[in-house]
Amino acid sequence: GENVEQHPSTLSVQEGDSAVIKCTYSDSASNYFPWYKQELGKGPQLIIDIRSNVGEKKDQRIAVTLNKTAKHFSLHITETQPEDSAVYFCAASTRQLTFGSGTQLTVLP
Amino acid sequence: KAGVTQTPRYLIKTRGQQVTLSCSPISGHRSVSWYQQTPGQGLQFLFEYFSETQRNKGNFPGRFSGRQFSNSRSEMNVSTLELGDSALYLCASSSNLAGGAFDNEQFFGPGTRLTVL
Repeated sequence: GENVEQHPSTLSVQEGDSAVIKCTYSDSASNYFPWYKQELGKGPQLIIDIRSNVGEKKDQRIAVTLNKTAKHFSLHITETQPEDSAVYFCAASTRQLTFGSGTQLTVLP
Repeated sequence: KAGVTQTPRYLIKTRGQQVTLSCSPISGHRSVSWYQQTPGQGLQFLFEYFSETQRNKGNFPGRFSGRQFSNSRSEMNVSTLELGDSALYLCASSSNLAGGAFDNEQFFGPGTRLTVL
C-alpha cells in the first residue's frame, strides 16, 4: 500500500519567516495530495491541495509544489503568523487517504 | 451549511466492552470515511461508505465495523475493546463521486475521544 513520509516532525520559526514541510510518497498511482491543518481539539482542516497534473499551486501565503518523478511534495508558508501554529499533515490519495505523521509548527512572536 | 457532527465527543469504556460512534455528514455528501488518530500511529484510514455500501477498507481487524444509513449518517462500532483502541476517532464527509477516487476535499468532524480502561 501507499506510504507517506513527512519531515520535519517539529518546526519552530520566528514570526514573519517562512516554513517548509516536505513529504514523499511511494505509490506512483497517487493522484491527489492534500494538506491539512489540525488545531488542538479540532479535526483536520484542508488548507490546500494539488492534483498530479499540476506542479505548483498557490493560495495567498500558502503554496504547494509537486514533483511526480521524485514522488515528493512540499508545503510552503510565507510570512508566518502565530495563528499558523498547529499540526500540519500531508496526505496522498488513490482509493483512500494515507497521511504523513504530522509536523508540529510553532511560530514564535 | 452545518459541518460534520460526531457524537458523543468523549467516551470512557472498559476492556471487553463494545462501543458505537455516530457521524452526521454535511448535507448532500454521500461519502463518509472514518479515521483513527493516535500519537503513535498517526491518522489511519478505517473505512469509507458511499450510498450505504462499504467501498474502501483500511488494515484494521474485524472488530472495527461500520454502516451507513439512507440519509448518509454513519455509525462505527468497535467490539471487544482493547486498551490500544484508545484514540480520537474522526469522521469525514466528502462529495466524492461514485467512481471511488479520493480526490475531493474531506471535511472532518471534531472527533470522538475514546478512552479504554
